[in-house]
Amino acid sequence: QKEVEQDPGPLSVPEGAIVSLNCTYSNSAFQYFMWYRQYSRKGPELLMYTYSSGNKEDGRFTAQVDKSSKYISLFIRDSQPSDSATYLCAMSGGNQFYFGTGTSLTVIP
Amino acid sequence: EAGVVQSPRYKIIEKKQPVAFWCNPISGHNTLYWYLQNLGQGPELLIRYENEEAVDDSQLPKDRFSAERLKGVDSTLKIQPAELGDSAVYLCASSFSYNEQFFGPGTRLTVL
Repeated sequence: QKEVEQDPGPLSVPEGAIVSLNCTYSNSAFQYFMWYRQYSRKGPELLMYTYSSGNKEDGRFTAQVDKSSKYISLFIRDSQPSDSATYLCAMSGGNQFYFGTGTSLTVIP
Repeated sequence: EAGVVQSPRYKIIEKKQPVAFWCNPISGHNTLYWYLQNLGQGPELLIRYENEEAVDDSQLPKDRFSAERLKGVDSTLKIQPAELGDSAVYLCASSFSYNEQFFGPGTRLTVL
């Protein structure tokens, strides 16, 4: 079983839609949860960073962590064509750090 | 502030040839990471440095891969000899905090 599971998509939505991206994990030691955005032929860029359970909001982006279910989500409101990218979840704890495989998102104008 | 710099951006070599990648991290970041990313996959850690010390190299294939970070700043990752399966993007990242890593643009390696 992989440490982090993420649906690779691809996901295609119309402009203005709400997007939900998700990851599950198996390691209870994970305490820090990150979302990275990666444009084609670029390195990943940190979007959101949360510690333990709860929600965090930054503009159109909301990250949710449910440690009891070992499930994290990233919501994008009012999605824009510029949001088209691959979204990677990442988790760390106990000196371990893992990325998900990424979900490819396309926002259609 | 300049980001993480990597060079070259692209490299094409024949199998069994050596290749080296260079990374200059963000100023002040003591931690430096080398990752490998295959198409459609997330980055996989190869090696992590704290200053000059390699603190996690458990996933580095040491028979053909080597890395160094002299003086705790720039780092070089080398493959010798390269194999077809080494074709991938090699990413360098740096951080002040373990959970907030900043990535360079990567080096796309093609082994023919």
